[in-house]
Amino acid sequence: QSALTQPASVSGSSGQSITISCTGTSNDIGYYNYVSWHQQYPGKAPKVMIYEVSNRPSGVSNRFSGSKSGNTASLTISGLQSEDEAYYYCTSYAGSGTRVFGGGTRLTVL
Amino acid sequence: EVQLLESGGGLVQPGGSLRLSCAASGFTFSNYAFIWVRQAPGKGLEWVSSISGSSDNTYYTNSVKGRFTISRDNFMNTLYLQMNNLKDEDTAVYYCAKCAGIFTSRDPHYWGQGALVIVSS
Repeated sequence: QSALTQPASVSGSSGQSITISCTGTSNDIGYYNYVSWHQQYPGKAPKVMIYEVSNRPSGVSNRFSGSKSGNTASLTISGLQSEDEAYYYCTSYAGSGTRVFGGGTRLTVL
Repeated sequence: EVQLLESGGGLVQPGGSLRLSCAASGFTFSNYAFIWVRQAPGKGLEWVSSISGSSDNTYYTNSVKGRFTISRDNFMNTLYLQMNNLKDEDTAVYYCAKCAGIFTSRDPHYWGQGALVIVSS
C-alpha cells in the first residue's frame, strides 16, 4: 500500500495550461483504469474532477481532463483560473479491495 | 441531489471507541460501494476502508485492521465505521465517499463533509 507520487506543488499563470502527474506501479495505475482526481480547498471536503482515468462528472468544467500512460496518470487543467488554486489528489484502485492516494499537489495560479 | 452527512466524531482518549455514521440520500444506496478516507491535520488523504454494495466484501488499510469495522445498513441508507482501541495517530477528519458503482474497485465519486476525530488524553 505505497502512496502514489505527485509533485508537491505546481504553478501556472492565469490562462495557461498545467499538468499534474501521478506515478504508481504496475499493480495500481498501470493495471487498473480506476484512477481519479480530486480537488480540495483548505478546510473543505474533496470533490471529484476526473474518474476512471478520463471521465468528467457532470458539472465539472471541460477545462479539466485526465489521461494515463503506463504507470503514470495525468491531470491537465487548461485556461487556468484563480478558482483552480487548490490541492489536487490522485487515487487508484490497487487490487484486493485496496486503494492508494497520492500525496497531493498544491496548485498556485500566478 | 446526492447528500452524505457524517456524524459521530469527537474527542476520545487513547484506547477508546467511536462510531462514525454517514447518512445518505438522493440515490439508491444499495447500488453503490462506499469508502472511508481520512486526513490527518496538515496531511494528505489516506484510504481507510471499503465496503461493497451488498456488504459481501470489506477491506481495510493495514494500520486499522482488527481495530476498525466498516458496515452498512441498506434499509437505513447509512454507512458506519466502528473504531476501537483508538490511537493518537488516528486523529483526522474522516470522510465517507460514495463510489461510482457497486464494486469497491470503482472510484470515489461523491464525498461527505467530513467528521473530526481527535484522539488525545
